[in-house]
Amino acid sequence: DTGVSQNPRHKITKRGQNVTFRCDPISEHNRLYWYRQTLGQGPEFLTYFQNEAQLEKSRLLSDRFSAERPKGSFSTLEIQRTEQGDSAMYLCASSPRRLLANYGYTFGSGTRLTVV
Amino acid sequence: AQTVTQSQPEMSVQEAETVTLSCTYDTSESDYYLFWYKQPPSRQMILVIRQEAYKQQNATENRFSVNFQKAAKSFSLKISDSQLGDAAMYFCAYRGSGNTGKLIFGQGTTLQVKP
Repeated sequence: DTGVSQNPRHKITKRGQNVTFRCDPISEHNRLYWYRQTLGQGPEFLTYFQNEAQLEKSRLLSDRFSAERPKGSFSTLEIQRTEQGDSAMYLCASSPRRLLANYGYTFGSGTRLTVV
Repeated sequence: AQTVTQSQPEMSVQEAETVTLSCTYDTSESDYYLFWYKQPPSRQMILVIRQEAYKQQNATENRFSVNFQKAAKSFSLKISDSQLGDAAMYFCAYRGSGNTGKLIFGQGTTLQVKP
């Protein structure tokens, strides 16, 4: 599999519950990005990793959000105490650092979160 | 802060005809990169075409081409010989010259292709 894989594809949760999403990037890509996309809007940057280091976090990423990338491989995005406003598509993307500018990202299919 | 604006929420085109999607952006940087991404109903974003700001020549990829006007901060996408498979949401995106690599996306344009 040469693509970016995200699981689960869909998640429905009750308000106040915690959820965790997983992203498996392309194996040789050392950069990994998380974006959030609400219905009818463009994706918004949340955070990114270079290998295992989380190098930037958006102000959109409140204290209830945490992302990890142990060992520089897969990444998880956890949302604690979910709120209805967290309902969105969460997109993961990866890129090789050296070719970042030339080729853009490879995106996964996303995880759609619905908070009821 | 950089912004990207797509002023056409929806566009439609007849199959085999040409359509142009508009994008404007605002930045104080002189070196940056611009992209068009396609998001079909399956939701996976696919890179369509990219343009480096330092290049004057407009990028072309098969039926897709851009009209990059740096002074006007405009970056439109032209799709020639439109096909049914071109129906999707199209996003214009900006990446600065910094090391982060994060993209700033426009609001998107939904393209409908009529048979």
